[in-house]
Amino acid sequence: DAGITQSPRYKITETGRQVTLMCHQTWSHSYMFWYRQDLGHGLRLIYYSAAADITDKGEVPDGYVVSRSKTENFPLTLESATRSQTSVYFCASSESQTGKNIQYFGAGTRLSVL
Amino acid sequence: GNSVTQMEGPVTLSEEAFLTINCTYTATGYPSLFWYVQYPGEGLQLLLKATKADDKGSNKGFEATYRKETTSFHLEKGSVQVSDSAVYFCAFSGGYNKLIFGAGTRLAVHP
Repeated sequence: DAGITQSPRYKITETGRQVTLMCHQTWSHSYMFWYRQDLGHGLRLIYYSAAADITDKGEVPDGYVVSRSKTENFPLTLESATRSQTSVYFCASSESQTGKNIQYFGAGTRLSVL
Repeated sequence: GNSVTQMEGPVTLSEEAFLTINCTYTATGYPSLFWYVQYPGEGLQLLLKATKADDKGSNKGFEATYRKETTSFHLEKGSVQVSDSAVYFCAFSGGYNKLIFGAGTRLAVHP
């Protein structure tokens, strides 16, 4: 399917386990982003990537790891999940043209850490 | 630092009422400004944008004007519908195609 897809849509895990959230986009957008959405905080940027093999930290990167070996994929890994990482996670992508800044979002992954 | 302040919700209105959701921002320079909308169970989608001072963004009956002097980008709609019930996020461009989001304002429209 065209667009940006996230998987899984829902995930329940236990503290200490490793979890990987997947994000795939079909537009060949250069930029990709991971956000978490928590009540009262809006969306907070975890990591972003300007191109394949280029990633950088956002506002709340601790406890997360990303990689971008291919332009279309941007997985987010929680190396050792904690309860505070219970959240809804959104992936987004954006064209590289300066000034556009329009981001396109996936449907989200709801993660519960027990 | 860079930030966006939105009016707290929830905002509850009757159908056909006038809507205003306030948004102010703190940023260096003159960023592009955005309103995103999130319908229940979905990701965010762009509602409208403005790229320079005095620009008016509009879409689906919603409007917002880029006010540089007051660093504001208030969202308005003259007559809301039940289908407008959603969470609305104000945002601005923060460099490297990043967006800085407000906390979101939930709108509930009743028949």
